[in-house]
Amino acid sequence: DGGITQSPKYLFRKEGQNVTLSCEQNLNHDAMYWYRQDPGQGLRLIYYSQIVNDFQKGDIAEGYSVSREKKESFPLTVTSAQKNPTAFYLCASSMASGRLSYEQYFGPGTRLTVT
Amino acid sequence: QKEVEQDPGPLSVPEGAIVSLNCTYSNSAFQYFMWYRQYSRKGPELLMYTYSSGNKEDGRFTAQVDKSSKYISLFIRDSQPSDSATYLCAMVDYKLSFGAGTTVTVRA
Repeated sequence: DGGITQSPKYLFRKEGQNVTLSCEQNLNHDAMYWYRQDPGQGLRLIYYSQIVNDFQKGDIAEGYSVSREKKESFPLTVTSAQKNPTAFYLCASSMASGRLSYEQYFGPGTRLTVT
Repeated sequence: QKEVEQDPGPLSVPEGAIVSLNCTYSNSAFQYFMWYRQYSRKGPELLMYTYSSGNKEDGRFTAQVDKSSKYISLFIRDSQPSDSATYLCAMVDYKLSFGAGTTVTVRA
Protein backbone atom coordinates (compact mmCIF):
# COMPACT_ATOMS: atom_id res chain seq x y z
CA ASP A 1 0.00 0.00 0.00
CA GLY A 2 1.54 3.31 -1.07
CA GLY A 3 1.12 6.36 1.07
CA ILE A 4 2.41 8.70 3.71
CA THR A 5 2.77 7.78 7.35
CA GLN A 6 3.14 10.17 10.23
CA SER A 7 3.92 9.23 13.77
CA PRO A 8 2.88 9.54 16.43
CA LYS A 9 -0.80 10.46 15.98
CA TYR A 10 -0.87 12.36 19.28
CA LEU A 11 2.13 13.92 21.00
CA PHE A 12 2.34 15.72 24.32
CA ARG A 13 5.35 17.75 25.42
CA LYS A 14 6.31 20.19 28.10
CA GLU A 15 7.15 23.75 27.15
CA GLY A 16 10.85 24.23 26.47
CA GLN A 17 11.41 20.76 24.99
CA ASN A 18 12.26 20.11 21.37
CA VAL A 19 10.16 17.46 19.66
CA THR A 20 10.57 15.66 16.32
CA LEU A 21 7.63 14.59 14.17
CA SER A 22 8.15 11.73 11.75
CA CYS A 23 7.03 11.64 8.10
CA GLU A 24 7.72 8.76 5.71
CA GLN A 25 6.47 8.20 2.16
CA ASN A 26 6.75 5.24 -0.18
CA LEU A 27 5.26 6.96 -3.22
CA ASN A 28 8.69 7.72 -4.71
CA HIS A 29 7.81 11.41 -4.70
CA ASP A 30 10.57 13.98 -5.01
CA ALA A 31 8.86 16.82 -3.14
CA MET A 32 7.75 16.81 0.49
CA TYR A 33 6.05 19.44 2.63
CA TRP A 34 5.17 20.28 6.20
CA TYR A 35 2.03 22.24 7.04
CA ARG A 36 0.53 23.47 10.23
CA GLN A 37 -3.27 23.61 10.62
CA ASP A 38 -4.97 25.80 13.20
CA PRO A 39 -8.73 26.30 13.54
CA GLY A 40 -10.04 28.90 11.10
CA GLN A 41 -6.68 29.39 9.39
CA GLY A 42 -6.41 26.58 6.90
CA LEU A 43 -3.02 25.06 6.16
CA ARG A 44 0.15 27.11 6.41
CA LEU A 45 3.42 25.96 4.87
CA ILE A 46 6.32 25.50 7.28
CA TYR A 47 9.06 23.94 5.11
CA TYR A 48 9.29 22.12 1.82
CA SER A 49 11.89 20.03 0.07
CA GLN A 50 12.10 19.50 -3.66
CA ILE A 51 14.97 17.04 -3.56
CA VAL A 52 17.16 15.13 -1.13
CA ASN A 53 19.56 17.29 0.89
CA ASP A 54 17.73 20.48 -0.05
CA PHE A 55 14.85 22.32 1.62
CA GLN A 56 13.34 25.80 1.73
CA LYS A 57 11.48 27.82 4.31
CA GLY A 58 7.78 28.26 3.89
CA ASP A 59 5.59 31.01 5.28
CA ILE A 60 6.00 30.20 8.98
CA ALA A 61 9.42 28.52 9.38
CA GLU A 62 10.50 30.32 12.56
CA GLY A 63 10.95 27.89 15.46
CA TYR A 64 11.03 24.82 13.20
CA SER A 65 13.78 22.82 11.53
CA VAL A 66 13.82 19.95 9.01
CA SER A 67 16.20 17.57 7.31
CA ARG A 68 15.98 15.56 4.10
CA GLU A 69 18.70 12.93 4.17
CA LYS A 70 16.60 10.30 2.39
CA LYS A 71 14.00 10.63 -0.34
CA GLU A 72 11.41 8.80 1.75
CA SER A 73 11.82 10.76 4.98
CA PHE A 74 11.25 14.40 5.98
CA PRO A 75 11.23 14.81 9.78
CA LEU A 76 10.16 18.09 11.38
CA THR A 77 11.61 19.34 14.67
CA VAL A 78 9.54 21.78 16.68
CA THR A 79 12.03 23.69 18.78
CA SER A 80 11.54 25.52 22.04
CA ALA A 81 11.80 28.75 20.04
CA GLN A 82 8.38 28.14 18.48
CA LYS A 83 6.10 30.40 20.51
CA ASN A 84 2.81 28.61 19.94
CA PRO A 85 3.56 25.01 18.95
CA THR A 86 0.24 23.38 19.83
CA ALA A 87 -1.37 22.52 16.48
CA PHE A 88 -2.20 19.79 13.98
CA TYR A 89 0.83 19.07 11.78
CA LEU A 90 0.42 17.61 8.31
CA CYS A 91 3.09 16.16 6.05
CA ALA A 92 2.51 15.91 2.30
CA SER A 93 4.34 14.83 -0.82
CA SER A 94 4.02 15.38 -4.55
CA MET A 95 5.64 13.93 -7.62
CA ALA A 96 6.78 17.37 -8.78
CA SER A 97 7.25 20.78 -7.24
CA GLY A 98 6.42 24.37 -8.10
CA ARG A 99 3.44 24.83 -10.40
CA LEU A 100 3.11 21.09 -10.77
CA SER A 101 2.78 20.53 -7.03
CA TYR A 102 -1.01 20.74 -7.09
CA GLU A 103 -1.51 17.02 -6.53
CA GLN A 104 -0.26 16.63 -3.02
CA TYR A 105 -0.88 13.55 -0.93
CA PHE A 106 -1.26 14.09 2.77
CA GLY A 107 -0.46 11.95 5.76
CA PRO A 108 -2.93 11.44 8.63
CA GLY A 109 -1.36 14.20 10.73
CA THR A 110 0.16 14.54 14.20
CA ARG A 111 -1.66 16.50 16.86
CA LEU A 112 0.95 18.15 19.09
CA THR A 113 0.00 19.57 22.47
CA VAL A 114 2.55 21.56 24.42
CA THR A 115 1.78 22.53 28.01
CA GLN B 1 -5.58 40.51 3.16
CA LYS B 2 -5.19 36.76 2.71
CA GLU B 3 -4.35 35.49 -0.76
CA VAL B 4 -7.23 33.01 -0.59
CA GLU B 5 -10.50 33.78 1.20
CA GLN B 6 -12.99 31.07 2.12
CA ASP B 7 -16.03 31.33 4.36
CA PRO B 8 -15.49 28.84 7.21
CA GLY B 9 -19.21 28.23 7.64
CA PRO B 10 -20.34 25.98 9.18
CA LEU B 11 -22.83 24.89 6.56
CA SER B 12 -25.62 22.45 7.40
CA VAL B 13 -27.89 20.99 4.69
CA PRO B 14 -30.45 18.16 4.50
CA GLU B 15 -29.55 14.99 2.64
CA GLY B 16 -30.13 15.35 -1.08
CA ALA B 17 -29.57 19.11 -1.15
CA ILE B 18 -27.02 20.86 -3.35
CA VAL B 19 -23.98 22.10 -1.44
CA SER B 20 -22.36 25.24 -2.82
CA LEU B 21 -18.89 26.26 -1.70
CA ASN B 22 -16.72 29.07 -2.95
CA CYS B 23 -13.41 30.89 -2.60
CA THR B 24 -12.04 34.18 -3.82
CA TYR B 25 -8.40 34.98 -4.41
CA SER B 26 -6.19 37.96 -5.11
CA ASN B 27 -3.12 36.47 -6.85
CA SER B 28 -3.45 36.57 -10.62
CA ALA B 29 -0.53 34.13 -10.95
CA PHE B 30 -2.59 31.20 -9.64
CA GLN B 31 -3.07 28.67 -12.42
CA TYR B 32 -4.18 25.38 -10.87
CA PHE B 33 -7.22 25.34 -8.61
CA MET B 34 -7.97 22.47 -6.29
CA TRP B 35 -10.57 21.27 -3.83
CA TYR B 36 -9.50 19.04 -0.97
CA ARG B 37 -11.81 17.18 1.42
CA GLN B 38 -10.78 16.64 5.02
CA TYR B 39 -12.61 14.39 7.41
CA SER B 40 -12.32 15.11 11.11
CA ARG B 41 -8.85 14.38 12.51
CA LYS B 42 -7.57 13.16 9.12
CA GLY B 43 -5.31 14.56 6.42
CA PRO B 44 -6.87 16.30 3.40
CA GLU B 45 -7.45 14.33 0.20
CA LEU B 46 -7.57 15.81 -3.27
CA LEU B 47 -11.10 15.85 -4.71
CA MET B 48 -10.70 17.74 -7.96
CA TYR B 49 -8.41 20.12 -9.74
CA THR B 50 -8.93 22.45 -12.68
CA TYR B 51 -6.59 24.42 -14.84
CA SER B 52 -7.77 27.83 -16.09
CA SER B 53 -11.37 29.01 -16.27
CA GLY B 54 -14.29 26.69 -16.88
CA ASN B 55 -16.20 23.79 -15.39
CA LYS B 56 -15.14 20.29 -14.50
CA GLU B 57 -17.50 17.55 -13.46
CA ASP B 58 -16.74 14.32 -11.59
CA GLY B 59 -19.79 12.35 -10.55
CA ARG B 60 -21.75 14.43 -8.05
CA PHE B 61 -19.03 17.08 -7.87
CA THR B 62 -18.64 20.10 -10.15
CA ALA B 63 -15.80 22.59 -9.90
CA GLN B 64 -15.99 26.01 -11.53
CA VAL B 65 -13.26 28.57 -12.04
CA ASP B 66 -13.80 32.17 -13.12
CA LYS B 67 -10.35 33.73 -13.43
CA SER B 68 -11.73 37.09 -14.54
CA SER B 69 -13.57 37.40 -11.21
CA LYS B 70 -10.92 35.49 -9.22
CA TYR B 71 -13.64 33.19 -7.93
CA ILE B 72 -13.88 29.41 -7.71
CA SER B 73 -16.77 27.17 -6.67
CA LEU B 74 -17.49 23.57 -5.78
CA PHE B 75 -20.98 22.12 -6.07
CA ILE B 76 -22.03 18.81 -4.54
CA ARG B 77 -25.26 17.40 -5.95
CA ASP B 78 -27.48 14.92 -4.11
CA SER B 79 -25.46 15.39 -0.96
CA GLN B 80 -25.01 12.44 1.39
CA PRO B 81 -24.16 12.24 5.11
CA SER B 82 -20.79 10.82 4.02
CA ASP B 83 -20.06 14.19 2.39
CA SER B 84 -19.90 15.76 5.86
CA ALA B 85 -16.36 17.11 6.07
CA THR B 86 -14.29 20.25 5.79
CA TYR B 87 -13.67 21.36 2.21
CA LEU B 88 -10.53 23.33 1.47
CA CYS B 89 -9.87 25.26 -1.69
CA ALA B 90 -6.24 25.55 -2.77
CA MET B 91 -4.34 27.26 -5.56
CA VAL B 92 -0.87 27.07 -7.01
CA ASP B 93 1.61 29.62 -8.29
CA TYR B 94 4.96 28.24 -7.12
CA LYS B 95 3.46 26.72 -3.97
CA LEU B 96 0.07 25.64 -2.73
CA SER B 97 -2.01 28.29 -0.92
CA PHE B 98 -5.05 27.09 1.02
CA GLY B 99 -8.30 28.66 2.07
CA ALA B 100 -9.40 28.31 5.69
CA GLY B 101 -11.83 25.51 4.84
CA THR B 102 -15.64 25.30 5.04
CA THR B 103 -17.13 22.73 7.42
CA VAL B 104 -20.16 20.99 5.89
CA THR B 105 -22.69 18.80 7.68
CA VAL B 106 -25.24 16.82 5.66
CA ARG B 107 -28.17 15.84 7.86
CA ALA B 108 -29.82 12.45 7.28
